[in-house]
Amino acid sequence: DQQVKQNSPSLSVQEGRISILNCDYTNSMFDYFLWYKKYPAEGPTFLISISSIKDKNEDGRFTVFLNKSAKHLSLHIVPSQPGDSAVYFCAASDRAAGNKLTFGGGTRVLVKP
Amino acid sequence: NAGVTQTPKFRILKIGQSMTLQCTQDMNHNYMYWYRQDPGMGLKLIYYSVGAGITDKGEVPNGYNVSRSTTEDFPLRLELAAPSQTSVYFCASSDGTGVSNEQFFGPGTRLTVL
Repeated sequence: DQQVKQNSPSLSVQEGRISILNCDYTNSMFDYFLWYKKYPAEGPTFLISISSIKDKNEDGRFTVFLNKSAKHLSLHIVPSQPGDSAVYFCAASDRAAGNKLTFGGGTRVLVKP
Repeated sequence: NAGVTQTPKFRILKIGQSMTLQCTQDMNHNYMYWYRQDPGMGLKLIYYSVGAGITDKGEVPNGYNVSRSTTEDFPLRLELAAPSQTSVYFCASSDGTGVSNEQFFGPGTRLTVL
């Protein structure tokens, strides 16, 4: 029973264009959502997060959108750069339950020069 | 700050052997976590701790044990290694009080059980 799903295992995009990564969740108790980026042979690194009381959070080239009614969030990367090529994980947290993160399966992004 | 460090980086075990994966953080974080990542999959929580002396099970705890005697260290013990435990193991920490709930991850330990 996957509570957090990333339905697109991979995404290929041209440098300079927009990358859109999607994530769906089922647990209505989740109140915080995070995106992590992972390069091979390294640990995940935090990218951006959003609280359930907001519908948008922006940090430079990265914007996360949250649609609570649809239990859906997305990460937009504009413009995409070759260094953005990595695996991106969506994660969700119920902060009242030990700050544990539940991860999606990841989306591998390839940005072509 | 070194952040979260993990040792060893790689290890090959035979079925039935035991080992301890070490994890240390120097950020004075109360919360620490162990995850495993199987090929092509997301991370799954094995155990977590909200402070020294307090541990609790995550989603996939079977076959593992943990202890938390200090704030800095959170070792993960495999008692009888099985091929199903072949995975990459990540340790993480967070202060547990921040608004962002960000967890900081170590570089991982790649374990193969043959």
